[in-house]
Amino acid sequence: DTAVSQTPKYLVTQMGNDKSIKCEQNLGHDTMYWYKQDSKKFLKIMFSYNNKELIINETVPNRFSPKSPDKAHLNLHINSLELGDSAVYFCASSQDRTGEFRGANVLTFGAGSRLTVL
Amino acid sequence: SQKIEQNSEALNIQEGKTATLTCNYTNYSPAYLQWYRQDPGRGPVFLLLIRENEKEKRKERLKVTFDTTLKQSLFHITASQPADSATYLCALLYTGGFKTIFGAGTRLFVKA
Repeated sequence: DTAVSQTPKYLVTQMGNDKSIKCEQNLGHDTMYWYKQDSKKFLKIMFSYNNKELIINETVPNRFSPKSPDKAHLNLHINSLELGDSAVYFCASSQDRTGEFRGANVLTFGAGSRLTVL
Repeated sequence: SQKIEQNSEALNIQEGKTATLTCNYTNYSPAYLQWYRQDPGRGPVFLLLIRENEKEKRKERLKVTFDTTLKQSLFHITASQPADSATYLCALLYTGGFKTIFGAGTRLFVKA
C-alpha cells in the first residue's frame, strides 16, 4: 500500500563511511526527488530525476550521488560521511496531473530516513 | 534568492478556535503556493494549493488566501481540533519548474 517507501528509516554510522538510502514509489509518477531536512526543519531540495534523467542538481557536495535505475526508484549514495550530513532525508515523487492540480507538481513524500553521523 | 518566512514560534490555540498561519515570501510571486502538513517522524503531506491568479481556496475546514501584492499567504483551520496539531509548511513553485521551495514551517498546538 505504501506509496513512497524509503529504507532504512534510521541509519547511524561513523564519519568517513559510505552509505546508501533507497527509495521506491508505486504511484507511477515520472519525477522523483531527494530533500534534506536539517535540525532547523528546513526542507531543501537536493536532486530530482524525471524519467531517469537528472533535472535538478542543487549545490550539494559531490560526495552525494543519486542513481535512478528506473523511474520507480531513486537511490542516494553518500561517500565519506561527515558530521554535517546528519539530517533526515526525504524521498518524494510527483506527476504532472490533469484538472485542478495541473502543473502544480504536488509532492508525495516518503516517511524519511534519519541519518546520524558520529 | 527566494526566501520564505513562516512564524518560527509555535502557535497555541484552544480547540474550536480558528488557527491562522502566515507565509511570507520575497521576490517573485510563485505560480503555485502549496500547504503541507508534517507530523513528527513523518514526511510532509499535501493539503491544498492556490494559484497566483486565485485569491482564496477552501477545502473542508481549511482555507488558503493568496495576496501577491503583499507577497503573503494565510492558512486558516476553522473549528480546530487537537488532531490538527502538527507543523504546517508553506511551499512555492514557479511556472514550468520542478523545484518546490519550502518554508521552515509553523508548529501548531491545539489544546482540548
